[in-house]
Amino acid sequence: GDSVTQMEGPVTLSEEAFLTINCTYTATGYPSLFWYVQYPGEGLQLLLKATKADDKGSNKGFEATYRKETTSFHLEKGSVQVSDSAVYFCALGGSARQLTFGSGTQLTVLP
Amino acid sequence: EPEVTQTPSHQVTQMGQEVILRCVPISNHLYFYWYRQILGQKVEFLVSFYNNEISEKSEIFDDQFSVERPDGSNFTLKIRSTKLEDSAMYFCASSESRAGGIGELFFGEGSRLTVL
Repeated sequence: GDSVTQMEGPVTLSEEAFLTINCTYTATGYPSLFWYVQYPGEGLQLLLKATKADDKGSNKGFEATYRKETTSFHLEKGSVQVSDSAVYFCALGGSARQLTFGSGTQLTVLP
Repeated sequence: EPEVTQTPSHQVTQMGQEVILRCVPISNHLYFYWYRQILGQKVEFLVSFYNNEISEKSEIFDDQFSVERPDGSNFTLKIRSTKLEDSAMYFCASSESRAGGIGELFFGEGSRLTVL
């Protein structure tokens, strides 16, 4: 079945550092890929998405490219801010008609 | 901006008791979902609901669980006889279109259930 493997956390960075959170997936067919973010005390919010191979999703300085050849959808940001501290979830929308989530990566950005 | 709202934010209950978690999805959305996250673990799909019936459910969603849309606005998850392992954060979500397509799921803030 569909599955998502996400980089283990927690990740702690200094402000303005470069961020990468790895995500790989297993799915049949042509899934859509998502990154969701959960800020403290809030629900999951869609951060960005990509619906086909080579698409790049971007939002709030975050980017992720749908790489079919490596079955990956790594999240990157060039310069993180304290306000980016949150839990980040990679998710897949595939043959099963619901989202399959990764385990989440806790990011803490220190000033 | 429209949002999904969930109540209660936190509920503590004794093992064996019935619990109802409530959700108000975004008004023009057609698909409704419950997910849960046991502390430190993955967000797991429980059930999806469309056109007043369950469209998909996971193996977690056994006979102890039920969902209902009683009045056209609320979407509820009932756990008939809670077990310790039901302790988790339960997220409601809704979408205009089916998850896995290009539709986006909008999540509520979650209801934390603690079973003692």
